[in-house]
This record gives sequence, C-alpha cells and structure tokens, in this order.
Amino acid sequence: QVQLQQSGPGLVKPSETLSLTCAVSGGSINSDYWSWIRQTPGKGLEWIGYIHYTGTTKHNPSLKSRVTMSVDTSKNLFSLKLTSVTAADTAVYYCASTTYYDASGSYFGCHQHWGQGTLVTVSS
Amino acid sequence: EIVLTQSPGTLSLSPGERATLSCRASQSVGTYLAWYQHKPGQAPRLLIYNASNRATGIPARFSGSGSGTDFTLTINSLEPEDFTVYYCQQRSDWPWTFGQGTKVEIK
Repeated sequence: QVQLQQSGPGLVKPSETLSLTCAVSGGSINSDYWSWIRQTPGKGLEWIGYIHYTGTTKHNPSLKSRVTMSVDTSKNLFSLKLTSVTAADTAVYYCASTTYYDASGSYFGCHQHWGQGTLVTVSS
Repeated sequence: EIVLTQSPGTLSLSPGERATLSCRASQSVGTYLAWYQHKPGQAPRLLIYNASNRATGIPARFSGSGSGTDFTLTINSLEPEDFTVYYCQQRSDWPWTFGQGTKVEIK
C-alpha cells in the first residue's frame, strides 16, 4: 500500500517561497506521476500540478511561473516550491498519487493515495 | 478551464435516507469525472472514477451516474460516517478542476 508523508513549514512570510516535500513509501516513485493539490478557504480544492520521475511536469496556469516541482528518485520523494507567496496562498496542501489502478485498468488523473495534508499559513 | 458546479451546497438528511448529489460541468467531460469524500482533518478519499465505477473498497451504497455535463452521486441508506463533504473532479481537460463541494449534514 502506497503511503505519502508530507513535510515542510507551516508558516511562510509574504513574498517568500513555500517549500514542501512528499516522501513515497510502499511503492516506487518511478511507478506514477505525482500531484500537488491545495484546499483554500475561498476556492476549495485546486489542482497545482504533477511531476513524473523523468522530470516531466504540468501545472495549473493560474499559478503561472511561481510553481517548481522536482523529484529525487534516490530518496523516493518529490517536492513543491511556490514562490512570491501571498495571503491567497494560505491553504492546506496535499501531495497525491495521480493514477488509480484496479483490475480493470489504470485511470490517469484519479487521485487514490494522498498525503496527510500540510496547513501552510502565509503571514508576517 | 472547465467549471464544475455542485448542488446543493448543503444537504440535510437523516441516517438511512438516500442522498443525491449533483455535479454539472461547464462543458462536456465525457465520463472523465470522479467523486471524492473529504472528512475534516483527513485526506480526500476516491469514491468513484469514470463517472460510475466504484473504487476498490468503496461500499456498494455509493453509486455514480451521468456523462457529458451532468453527473450524480447517490448514497443509499446513509450511514453516520457518510455525513461529510463530497467533491466532484474532472480530468478531461487541463487544468483538472474540482467542484466546490456538497456538505451532507445530519438533519
């Protein structure tokens, strides 16, 4: 069973960079694409983007160029950086797997495994 | 981007009753729609994928239907643990998007 463990600071100052890490256990990071999703009070759940172990990424255009995602295959973890944060970036951030697998096949874009969530508050 | 509109915002029902949740897409998503259950302090849980297929381990009282722009999640005979928030999500087009959620509360 794949498990995701998130880590990172819960408080970030405005204009600084939010950094979160998600460690994958019970499976290889090479086995899927890996997503970041956040939940803000005003906008609900918002998909941030995903990364593949090859380095391929896709992100939500609404976040423009502020998002950087990376993967460390040697440590079986992936990371998110969000630059120039404002109060609007205050949210619970989740990492998640990106493909659901069962006996009938694989379904890209269905998030089966999730991290525990990290509340990140942007405040001075 | 595709906007998903869920209704109602809140559904007040009693245990044992049937819940019917709606999700409407601003343009067709085919059957590329999923439903998640989200309990406070927990990560979301995938219930339904491809509009009508239950994910592994999901009880049979949960069912999904629909295609194109109109979808429904039905929970037959609500159990106490079912009273929480439910989201729909589309993976038909970038960026993937979620609905704003429907809260199922105890009447």
